Amino acid sequence: DAGVIQSPRHEVTEMGQEVTLRCKPISGHNSLFWYRQTMMRGLELLIYFNNNVPIDDSGMPEDRFSAKMPNASFSTLKIQPSEPRDSAVYFCASSFSQNYGYTFGSGTRLTVV
Amino acid sequence: AQSVTQPDIHITVSEGASLELRCNYSYGATPYLFWYVQSPGQGLQLLLKYFSGDTLVQGIKGFEAEFKRSQSSFNLRKPSVHWSDAAEYFCAVGHLPGDNQGGKLIFGQGTELSVKP
Repeated sequence: DAGVIQSPRHEVTEMGQEVTLRCKPISGHNSLFWYRQTMMRGLELLIYFNNNVPIDDSGMPEDRFSAKMPNASFSTLKIQPSEPRDSAVYFCASSFSQNYGYTFGSGTRLTVV
Repeated sequence: AQSVTQPDIHITVSEGASLELRCNYSYGATPYLFWYVQSPGQGLQLLLKYFSGDTLVQGIKGFEAEFKRSQSSFNLRKPSVHWSDAAEYFCAVGHLPGDNQGGKLIFGQGTELSVKP
C-alpha cells in the first residue's frame, strides 16, 4: 500500500497565480480530509469529504479556496488567486470512516512569494 | 464545541527519562481520542487511539495513554525516552463513526519534544 499520495511535495508560486494541490487517498478509504498547518494556527481542517461528497467546508478560509473530489481515488485543493498568507503545509488524509484509520500524506509545502 | 488543549508547547527531557505529554479535551459525549506524532518534514503518524473499554491504551513505539473522564484528559506517556522520539506530538478528538461526520478529527496545537543526550 503506497499510502496517501500528495503532489507536488513543494510548490513555490507568485502571488496571484493559481495553485492546485493533489491527493490520492488509500484505496478503500471513504473519507478524505484537507488540513493546513502553520506555525501560528497549527493544524486546521479545511474541508472533508465522505463518499466523495463534501460534508463540511466551514474551514475553507475564503472563496479563493476550492476543493473537489471527482472520484474515490482523487481530490484537488485549488487556490485562485494565491496570496503570501496562504503559505503553509497542506496535508491530505484519508480514512475508512467506521474505524478511524486516519492516514496522512507527506504534505505539500506551499510558498507564495 | 469540541476542542483539544495541549498546555505544553515545548518539552525537553533527557534521554532515558520518563515522559508525559498532557492533553485535555472538551466534548459533549464519550470522546474518541488519538495521539499522533509528526517528525520534521513528514506527515502525522498515529501512535494510539481510545474508543472505549480499558482506559489505558498501548500504542506503537512504546507509548501509552490513559483516558481519565473525570479530568477530561488523555495524557501520553513513555517510561524511557529515546533520542529518536524527538518530534511534535498532537492530541486529537473525533466524532463517533456513523454520526454523519465522517470521522472528523479536531487537533490540539501540538507539543514539541526535544531530547537531551
